[in-house]
Amino acid sequence: TQLLEQSPQFLSIQEGENLTVYCNSSSVFSSLQWYRQEPGEGPVLLVTVVTGGEVKKLKRLTFQFGDARKDSSLHITAAQPGDTGLYLCAGGSGGSYIPTFGRGTSLIVHP
Amino acid sequence: GAGVSQSPRYKVAKRGQDVALRCDPISGHVSLFWYQQALGQGPEFLTYFQNEAQLDKSGLPSDRFFAERPEGSVSTLKIQRTQQEDSAVYLCASSWGAETQYFGPGTRLLVL
Repeated sequence: TQLLEQSPQFLSIQEGENLTVYCNSSSVFSSLQWYRQEPGEGPVLLVTVVTGGEVKKLKRLTFQFGDARKDSSLHITAAQPGDTGLYLCAGGSGGSYIPTFGRGTSLIVHP
Repeated sequence: GAGVSQSPRYKVAKRGQDVALRCDPISGHVSLFWYQQALGQGPEFLTYFQNEAQLDKSGLPSDRFFAERPEGSVSTLKIQRTQQEDSAVYLCASSWGAETQYFGPGTRLLVL
C-alpha cells in the first residue's frame, strides 16, 4: 500500500504570512495532484505535477514535485483568509487508476 | 457546464436502516469513483466504474455496501443495515481518464 504523509496536520496563521505544506512518501508516483477542500464541499483540483523537479505556479501558490517523485510541497505566499481549507495531496502510479490521498493539512488564515 | 452533483446532501439514518446515495457525474465522463471521507481524514477509495462496468470494488468495507451504474451515467451507492461506523462523507468523482477527477459536494451521512 502506498502511503502519503502530509505535514503539518494543522496550521493556523495570520493574513500576509507565508507557509509551506509537505507531502511525502516512500513510494514513487507517476503524478501527484494537490486539491483544496472547503468545509461542506468536495475537493477541487489545484494542480497536477508529473515530472521530477517540476515547479508550477498558480498565482500565490507554488507547487514542487521532488526529483525522485516521492515528495511534493505547496508554498503559499502572503496567505489570505480565502486560502482557508483542507489541502490534500494525491498520488497516482502508472497502471493504477486509483489515487492515494494523504490525510490533508487543515489551514486557517485569520484576517 | 454542470459539475458532479450528489443527493441527498445530508442524510440521517437510524442504525439498521438502508440508505441510497446518488451521484450524477459530468456528462460524458467515462470513469466514476466513490470515496468515503471520515472527519479529519483524506478520501478513501471505495469503488470504481468505467461506464457501466464496476472494475474495482476492493475498497468497499463490507458486503453491506453495494454500488451500481446500470446505464453508465448515474450511480447509486447503497448501504444496507447501516452502522454507526458508516457515518462519514461519501464523495463521488468523475473523470475522462484516470488522473484528473472532478468531485461532487458529497453526502454527509450520520447514523444514530
